[in-house]
Amino acid sequence: DAGVIQSPRHEVTEMGQEVTLRCKPISGHNSLFWYRQTMMRGLELLIYFNNNVPIDDSGMPEDRFSAKMPNASFSTLKIQPSEPRDSAVYFCASNSRGTGGFIQYFGAGTRLSVL
Amino acid sequence: SQQGEEDPQALSIQEGENATMNCSYKTSINNLQWYRQNSGRGLVHLILIRSNEREKHSGRLRVTLDTSKKSSSLLITASRAADTASYFCAPLGGSEKLVFGKGTKLTVNP
Repeated sequence: DAGVIQSPRHEVTEMGQEVTLRCKPISGHNSLFWYRQTMMRGLELLIYFNNNVPIDDSGMPEDRFSAKMPNASFSTLKIQPSEPRDSAVYFCASNSRGTGGFIQYFGAGTRLSVL
Repeated sequence: SQQGEEDPQALSIQEGENATMNCSYKTSINNLQWYRQNSGRGLVHLILIRSNEREKHSGRLRVTLDTSKKSSSLLITASRAADTASYFCAPLGGSEKLVFGKGTKLTVNP
């Protein structure tokens, strides 16, 4: 199994541009999570989906952020327009109900720099 | 969902020594998980302990859970330079949502 796959690994863009981050969860996993990590704020949960349906988007910072999961094998996180304060590492994770509970598997992340 | 709080925030030890980090949480849980994050990488699940378990081992890892004190500890024995990473606990209650704290940054010096 290839694990959770994120693309691109690095993204450098200019303020005002649209940014789209992509994630392919592990096959068979029912839930998908988007996180953002910065030095200041740590690892924050932005949104998560269960069976392709958004369950909790309370962590999405503002309307500039949107996420979709059109099918079980693909999700996107879009920022439009991007701002320098959006610079962070964005992680996607999917989970499996392991013995005793849910275990999350993380992708390698997308490092976003907004200039 | 609830956030675990790790303590200490940073820990520096010599190779071969044991490393202990602690986690506290506020409400009842179904299980508690520990994750490791190497610099620049995604989190990796290490071990899960259920609420009815008091201790669990996996290789050089030993996790304890005290539900009466709402606390857990992670012990890494005979540490290696490769154990240098940040460690996070994640208490899991009624939902599958995990909320991560700031973690414990462990440095193992060769």
